[in-house]
Amino acid sequence: AQSVAQPEDQVNVAEGNPLTVKCTYSVSGNPYLFWYVQYPNRGLQFLLKYITGDNLVKGSYGFEAEFNKSQTSFHLKKPSALVSDSALYFCAVRDFTSGTYKYIFGTGTRLKVLA
Amino acid sequence: DGGITQSPKYLFRKEGQNVTLSCEQNLNHDAMYWYRQDPGQGLRLIYYSQIVNDFQKGDIAEGYSVSREKKESFPLTVTSAQKNPTAFYLCASSGMTVLLYGYTFGSGTRLTVV
Repeated sequence: AQSVAQPEDQVNVAEGNPLTVKCTYSVSGNPYLFWYVQYPNRGLQFLLKYITGDNLVKGSYGFEAEFNKSQTSFHLKKPSALVSDSALYFCAVRDFTSGTYKYIFGTGTRLKVLA
Repeated sequence: DGGITQSPKYLFRKEGQNVTLSCEQNLNHDAMYWYRQDPGQGLRLIYYSQIVNDFQKGDIAEGYSVSREKKESFPLTVTSAQKNPTAFYLCASSGMTVLLYGYTFGSGTRLTVV
């Protein structure tokens, strides 16, 4: 079965420190992977994606993600966290079984950046 | 500006009542989706539609109904058969650029049973 997992419900990091939000996936084909961010009572906003190419993907607001095929991971990273990065982060992978462009979402990781 | 609009932002439902959540997009996207968000459970797919007059059940369709009479609109009705409807509901759409940008999401509707 195709799936995506975010093993941490919450990640706490001090402002200025590097942050990592973890995501692992299981798909039957080439993975199409996305990261989204959600602020309170809002919809999800696109951060970055991996389709093909370089394993290090750069996205919005200084975020980047590293695709690791052997570990089936797509961890979100930022070199220096800001308090304003505090939000809920979702990893998503394309669902190849449906024959459509449906995506499967992880359960989300709440990032809390402490001043 | 192109976008996807959900209304209302907050909705209160009495026991046994049907309510309809609105979702409208002006992005010319073919596909539209409804997700339910509960704390700790992430996003769960309720229904999706890839084309006008066609839609498919997602993972948790019981107690919900949809229609897709126009490309721009994909309303969701929460029926009295849905026993635990209190949640945050998100509508999304996708078009030809779905592989580049994934979904575009609305701002959500928070439904509360009173």
